[in-house]
Amino acid sequence: AQKVTQAQTEISVVEKEDVTLDCVYETRDTTYYLFWYKQPPSGELVFLIRRNSFDEQNEISGRYSWNFQKSTSSFNFTITASQVVDSAVYFCALRIGGTSYGKLTFGQGTILTVHP
Amino acid sequence: DTGVSQDPRHKITKRGQNVTFRCDPISEHNRLYWYRQTLGQGPEFLTYFQNEAQLEKSRLLSDRFSAERPKGSFSTLEIQRTEQGDSAMYLCASSGQITGEGNTIYFGEGSWLTVV
Repeated sequence: AQKVTQAQTEISVVEKEDVTLDCVYETRDTTYYLFWYKQPPSGELVFLIRRNSFDEQNEISGRYSWNFQKSTSSFNFTITASQVVDSAVYFCALRIGGTSYGKLTFGQGTILTVHP
Repeated sequence: DTGVSQDPRHKITKRGQNVTFRCDPISEHNRLYWYRQTLGQGPEFLTYFQNEAQLEKSRLLSDRFSAERPKGSFSTLEIQRTEQGDSAMYLCASSGQITGEGNTIYFGEGSWLTVV
C-alpha cells in the first residue's frame, strides 16, 4: 500500500520569508510519480509539479523549488520569498506506475498562511 | 476555459434525497476520476473511468453511489438516499494517455455537498 505523510499541519510565515513544506512517501513500487498540488480557498486543486521516480533532478520554477531524494523517500517543496498569494493548502501526492490507473494517494495537506 | 468543469459547485440537500453531480473533463482526456474530500483531509479516490468503462471503484463507494460516463465524455456521480456523512467536496479529475504528460491529473473546482 502507498502512503504519503505531510507532518506539518499548519505553517505560518511573514511575507518574504522562505518556507519549506515536507513530504515523505512510502511505496514498494520502483516506478512511481510524485506530485504537488495547491488548493486555494476556491477549492480547485492546482497542479504544480510532477516528478518521476527515475528522475531525481531537483527543479526550480520561479520562486518554487522541489527537492526529491529517493534515499530518504522525501519530496520537499520550498517557496522562496513567500507572498500573501501563496496562502493555501498544499498537498503532496503519490501515484504508482503499472496498472494503478492513475489513482493518487494524497497526504493530509499543509495549511500555509503568509502574513503581510 | 478548457479545464475540468463541475456542476453544481454547491448543493445543499435534505437527508434522504438524491443528488447528482456532473463533470466535463478536458476534451482530449480519456481518463476520468472522482475523488472525495472532507474538511481537513486530502482527497480520497472513489472511482476511475477509461473512456466509458469504469475500471476501478474504491470501497468508499457504497451501494448508494453510482457513477457513469455513458459516451466517454462527461460523467455523472449520483448519491442516493443521502446521509449527513456524505457531506464533502466531490472532485472530478481527468488525464490523457498514461505516458508522458498524460501522467498528470488535472482537477476541477469541486462540488460541495452539504446534507442537512
